[in-house]
Parts: sequence; C-alpha cells; structure tokens
Amino acid sequence: GENVEQHPSTLSVQEGDSAVIKCTYSDSASNYFPWYKQELGKGPQLIIDIRSNVGEKKDQRIAVTLNKTAKHFSLHITETQPEDSAVYFCAASSPGGGADGLTFGKGTHLIIQP
Amino acid sequence: KAGVTQTPRYLIKTRGQQVTLSCSPISGHRSVSWYQQTPGQGLQFLFEYFSETQRNKGNFPGRFSGRQFSNSRSEMNVSTLELGDSALYLCASSMGTGGGYEQYFGPGTRLTVT
Repeated sequence: GENVEQHPSTLSVQEGDSAVIKCTYSDSASNYFPWYKQELGKGPQLIIDIRSNVGEKKDQRIAVTLNKTAKHFSLHITETQPEDSAVYFCAASSPGGGADGLTFGKGTHLIIQP
Repeated sequence: KAGVTQTPRYLIKTRGQQVTLSCSPISGHRSVSWYQQTPGQGLQFLFEYFSETQRNKGNFPGRFSGRQFSNSRSEMNVSTLELGDSALYLCASSMGTGGGYEQYFGPGTRLTVT
C-alpha cells in the first residue's frame, strides 16, 4: 500500500517568516495530494490540495508544489501568523481510492513564535 | 451549508463493551469514510461507505464495522472494546468515491476505554 513520510515533525518559525513542510509518497499511481490543518480539539481542516496533472497551486499565503518524478510534495506558508500554529498533515490517494483511503503523513507541529 | 457532524463528542467505555458512533455528512455528499487517530499511529483509514455499500476497508480487525443509511448518514461500531481502541474517531464526507474527491472531516468522537 501507499506510504507517506512527512518532515519535520516539529517546526518553529518567527512570525512573518515562511514555513515549509515536505512529504514523500511511495505509490506512483497516487494522483491526489491534500493538506490538512488540525487545531487542538478539532477535526482536520482541508486547506489546499493538488492533483498530479498540476505542478504548483497557490491560495493566498499557502502554496503546494508537486514533483511526480521524485514523488514528493511540499506545503509553503508565507508571512506566517499566530493563527497558523497547528498540526499539519499531508496525505495521498490513488485513483481507485483503494484499501488505504487517504494515507496520511505523521504530521508537523508548526509553532509560530511571536 | 452545515459541516460534518459526529455524535457523541466524548465517550467513556469499559473493556469488553461495545460502542456505536454516528456521522452525518455534508448535505449532498454520498461517501463517508472513517479514520482512527492516535498519537502513536497517527491517522489511519478504517473504511469507506458509498451508497450504503462498503467500498474500501483498512487494516483493522473485524471488531470494527460500519454501515450507511439511505440518507448517507453512517455509523461505526466497535465490539469487545480493548484499551488500545482509545482514540479520536473521525469521519469524513465527500461527494464521490474512488479517490481524488475532497474529504471534509467532522470534529471527531473521543473514545476512552478503561
């Protein structure tokens, strides 16, 4: 089945700086890569996603890049703000859904230092 | 449009008991997926239901089961509870099945087994 590795597990940045979270996946058939933000006591919130026919996607301060050849994708957050502090998860999914559903990385705890 | 709702939000059960959790998807969504979230294993896929049929199943024992009703609401059941079943159980709804559909999560049910 699919395996998703996510790094780093913890990331501390100064407010206003950029944050980058990286993920790699193992199944070359995977073609959908969402990112979720989870705040304490809440369920994961979909913040951006990318499909394999696109190399980059941007939504205001958030961008995601995908390198299909290397099988890795990254989340970029610019001009970080205190409300960006949360746990971020990357995930991958293959066309058929498969027995794995969405396969998630282990998460990155992003801390925004004032 | 209302989001995904899950009931109850918190549950405390004793080993050996069984439990039923409920999920109401976003209006118009026909697919419901269930995930287990623990600090050690992260987010793991349990199963997916679409049009009242189980479409995919993760690597969990048969004690974990589910069903979906004609209005797309879903329930999951865990029988003969073990201490290791303590977790946050999340459901996610999407418009379709087969991978590539955006999944939206509910707030989860926190299950504690004593």
